[in-house]
This record gives sequence, structure tokens and C-alpha cells, in this order.
Amino acid sequence: GQNIDQPTEMTATEGAIVQINCTYQTSGFNGLFWYQQHAGEAPTFLSYNVLDGLEEKGRFSSFLSRSKGYSYLLLKELQMKDSASYLCAVRDSNYQLIWGAGTKLIIKP
Amino acid sequence: GAVVSQHPSWVICKSGTSVKIECRSLDFQATTMFWYRQFPKQSLMLMATSNEGSKATYEQGVEKDKFLINHASLTLSTLTVTSAHPEDSSFYICSVEEGGGGNQPQHFGDGTRLSIL
Repeated sequence: GQNIDQPTEMTATEGAIVQINCTYQTSGFNGLFWYQQHAGEAPTFLSYNVLDGLEEKGRFSSFLSRSKGYSYLLLKELQMKDSASYLCAVRDSNYQLIWGAGTKLIIKP
Repeated sequence: GAVVSQHPSWVICKSGTSVKIECRSLDFQATTMFWYRQFPKQSLMLMATSNEGSKATYEQGVEKDKFLINHASLTLSTLTVTSAHPEDSSFYICSVEEGGGGNQPQHFGDGTRLSIL
């Protein structure tokens, strides 16, 4: 079956750096997406990786290793507003999006 | 990215009522839209893929007669929860995916929180 694993919850301190990991086992791979979802709101798109390596977008970076079935989302200079759930989603060989359960990130002052 | 409008934001109604949720793609002609459901503290679950001018494709376990989808135009898809019951209370979200090639993200509406009493 298809599976995406993320930690359920993480806690970090304002101003610090946090890395949220995602491992996947899917039938084929056509890209990996990271989304941010604040409580009670819809997800918003953060980043996309299809080739190995690091994609940087301001305070957020996303890394992909296809051979390891692994990605991470790196958040720098954490702010209180970064408290949210972070969802990893993989597009499989049928171009279907397979969603992880999300990682709830709690930022403490 | 695509701008998606979803209406209503909140619905509270009695058991047995049918509820219609609208999803509009405001700046993009969407031949395909997606409907998700999300229970508290759980991940997004794809319910169905809405196809303009043809029948929706439902995921396994989703009752097509209970969750009616109509995608009559390139900018509007509707989800009707028929004879809703308390177990249908959830957060329903639609999304649109621009273009082909698979490298485009899905853009989501703001979601509809449905509470059945």
C-alpha cells in the first residue's frame, strides 16, 4: 500500500530552527508537496520538490532524496504564527496526491 | 496560484437536512476539482474528483448517492450532502489544480464546517 509518515507533533522555540521529516512509500513518484494548515483553515501551498536537493523560499526550505523516499521541511527564525500543521503530500505514478496525516508544530515563546 | 472560493463557511442544521456546498474557481477554468473531508485532528481524505461535464469519480467507501457532486461549468462544482446526519459533521474542503504535468499544487477553498445536530 501507499504510506506517508510524519511525526504527529513537534515543539520548538520562537526564533529557533525546526526540521519536519516526511518519509514515503508510494507506487511511483511525481513530486512532493508541503502545505501549511492553520487550525480551522484550509491548507496553503508552501513548496514543491521533484528533483533531489534543497529548495529554498525565504525562511522555509524543503529537501528531497528520492532514493531514500525522504523529505524534510526546514523552518528558520520561527515565529509564533508558524504554529500550524504541516502536511506532506506525494504525487504517485497515477498523478494522485497521497496525503500524510500532518505534523502539528507548536511554537513556544 | 488559482483563487478558489467556497461557500458557505459554516453550516449548522438539523439531522435529515440536505446541505449544498459551492466551490468556485475565480481566475482559472477548472475541468477538475477535488472534494476533501477532514475530521478533527485527522488528515485530509479525498472524497471525490469532480469532472466538468461528466460524472464525478468517488473514492472507495464514499457513498455517491449521499454525496452528490455536480460540475456543470468550468468554474463551479457543488457538493450536496443529502439527508445529513451527525456523523457527517466535518470540515469539507474543495481544491483546484492548475494545468497538467503534475508539478502544479492544489489550491484550496477556505472550507465549510458542517455541524449536524
